[in-house]
Amino acid sequence: DQQVKQNSPSLSVQEGRISILNCDYTNSMFDYFLWYKKYPAEGPTFLISISSIKDKNEDGRFTVFLNKSAKHLSLHIVPSQPGDSAVYFCAASRTGNNRKLIWGLGTSLAVNP
Amino acid sequence: EAGVTQFPSHSVIEKGQTVTLRCDPISGHDNLYWYRRVMGKEIKFLLHFVKESKQDESGMPNNRFLAERTGGTYSTLKVQPAELEDSGVYFCASSQGGKLFFGSGTQLSVL
Repeated sequence: DQQVKQNSPSLSVQEGRISILNCDYTNSMFDYFLWYKKYPAEGPTFLISISSIKDKNEDGRFTVFLNKSAKHLSLHIVPSQPGDSAVYFCAASRTGNNRKLIWGLGTSLAVNP
Repeated sequence: EAGVTQFPSHSVIEKGQTVTLRCDPISGHDNLYWYRRVMGKEIKFLLHFVKESKQDESGMPNNRFLAERTGGTYSTLKVQPAELEDSGVYFCASSQGGKLFFGSGTQLSVL
């Protein structure tokens, strides 16, 4: 049974527009959430994270929002660039479990020029 | 600075054979993790080393899988004997208490 769900397998956006990737989780014990980006034939690369004590974290063009009551988080990319085209994974963990990450299935983002 | 390196990048073997995957973490990283992604499924945790000790091996599928990290440097993951359902991409990651750095993975195909 999946504890981290990314219900959209793919997303296509126009360059310069906003990309919004969504993630839901079921385990209320998760208190740390991460987004990873993955290009073909490469390993996942850390993008941005958020602790459950916050509801927003921003890093340049990337912002992650956390809604604990809804057990939902989202990644906003604005403006989107063609180089952002990749698979984005949402992952969650619990404090003290040494980065044992629970992953979603990923969303493939295509940013069209 | 060298990243996490994994060898081989691809391995094709027959059911019943043995395969050994290797991971060289970033120098100085005490934490080493193995993850696996089976086609169509999510990436799943296999185990976690702190230096040479297994901290958590709760994700290891069964006793056909053996992971080692001699001397707390590189790690190997051996599958013996391999079964069809072992096919997938095996990722290694390392950290020094912070974020994980992943290798490019080993694509294992068991025929």
